[in-house]
Amino acid sequence: GAGVSQTPSNKVTEKGKYVELRCDPISGHTALYWYRQSLGQGPEFLIYFQGTGAADDSGLPNDRFFAVRPEGSVSTLKIQRTERGDSAVYLCASRAGVRTSGGSSYNEQFFGPGTRLTVL
Amino acid sequence: GIQVEQSPPDLILQEGANSTLRCNFSDSVNNLQWFHQNPWGQLINLFYIPSGTKQNGRLSATTVATERYSLLYISSSQTTDSGVYFCAVDSGGGGTSYGKLTFGQGTILTVHP
Repeated sequence: GAGVSQTPSNKVTEKGKYVELRCDPISGHTALYWYRQSLGQGPEFLIYFQGTGAADDSGLPNDRFFAVRPEGSVSTLKIQRTERGDSAVYLCASRAGVRTSGGSSYNEQFFGPGTRLTVL
Repeated sequence: GIQVEQSPPDLILQEGANSTLRCNFSDSVNNLQWFHQNPWGQLINLFYIPSGTKQNGRLSATTVATERYSLLYISSSQTTDSGVYFCAVDSGGGGTSYGKLTFGQGTILTVHP
């Protein structure tokens, strides 16, 4: 597609449940990022993929959070045993990562619309 | 890690007014982007501007990398400009930087008709 897409747009779950959030990056973008935005705050980095591998997962808050990108395109953020404090908007971004002939810089990130997660 | 401070935190304008938003950062940067987050939460790219000056319609931005700040100018503001404006920077080095962005706290802009 033309932009980054994320599904679902909203997810309501109960404390202790498992959730998966999906991100489809811009076609051809090699770099993919997950961020989390709490109310009234700027987005905070969670994890970065270059291709299929997680190059930096230093922003994941604990081991209940995990993300994969098995084919180097779509990514899934997985949260186990959800807690009320996990409620936030989860944003995905992608970046070309390699020099292109297009107008935008290969270094510029583009964001999806986010998934609003509510843990009851 | 790098610190990003935006000012003012809140700004209220009448339609047609001009404004300047500021972003200070604590280290050299490889990337600096300005975003507008609309009421639906979508982050819209305004400028990719690690240095220099760019203009796009009523908006322009300037980054003075040596002095570690960036400015976003909005002229002849419209009600549709309302929302939160974020500055985000990447302090990674070189052309192979992985681009992790650190965001400021944002400026909440309200434009009244």
